[in-house]
Amino acid sequence: AQKVTQAQTEISVVEKEDVTLDCVYETRDTTYYLFWYKQPPSGELVFLIRRNSFDEQNEISGRYSWNFQKSTSSFNFTITASQVVDSAVYFCALSIPLQGAQKLVFGQGTRLTINP
Amino acid sequence: DAGVTQSPTHLIKTRGQQVTLRCSPKSGHDTVSWYQQALGQGPQFIFQYYEEEERQRGNFPDRFSGHQFPNYSSELNVNALLLGDSALYLCASSEKLIVNTEAFFGQGTRLTVV
Repeated sequence: AQKVTQAQTEISVVEKEDVTLDCVYETRDTTYYLFWYKQPPSGELVFLIRRNSFDEQNEISGRYSWNFQKSTSSFNFTITASQVVDSAVYFCALSIPLQGAQKLVFGQGTRLTINP
Repeated sequence: DAGVTQSPTHLIKTRGQQVTLRCSPKSGHDTVSWYQQALGQGPQFIFQYYEEEERQRGNFPDRFSGHQFPNYSSELNVNALLLGDSALYLCASSEKLIVNTEAFFGQGTRLTVV
């Protein structure tokens, strides 16, 4: 079975601080995909990044960066110089190709609050 | 370009009743998935539809059923509502059953069962 664990339930920092959201996943499959989504108060999940299991390169997009380490089954997300608009719930998710269907397995989410 | 749209946005039902939630996928998308998100939890996969067929199902009872129409829109039906069915129901659309593509989510339907 697949599982995603986000051990940090809530994080609160002051604006401009750097913050890292942890994600640990479990799967026996060798081919899988990892995602991060952001959920603002409006409710919709906003896609941030996708990474496949064969690509361990870290990625940076503006103030966002992701660190994928297969050795520790982790896919952590760092926000540099956080801003109030980054306040949201962030979800890490895992997808296994199964009969051509995409089923996302989500973690519990981390509620991030950026205080001015 | 309209994204994923869901209706209604909020709904209050009584235990034992039946409910139908609706979803229109993003333009160009033909695959629709439904998720249930209880308060303070991550979304849980209910099922996925492609070519008007249920392709994959999560661990949900038969009270949860769905349908996909020729225009790719979808409905989620829940019969014999329980208090525990109160949640945010999210619809996600993606393209051509591509497993590694990102899913686009709607804003959800907040269902309250009293």
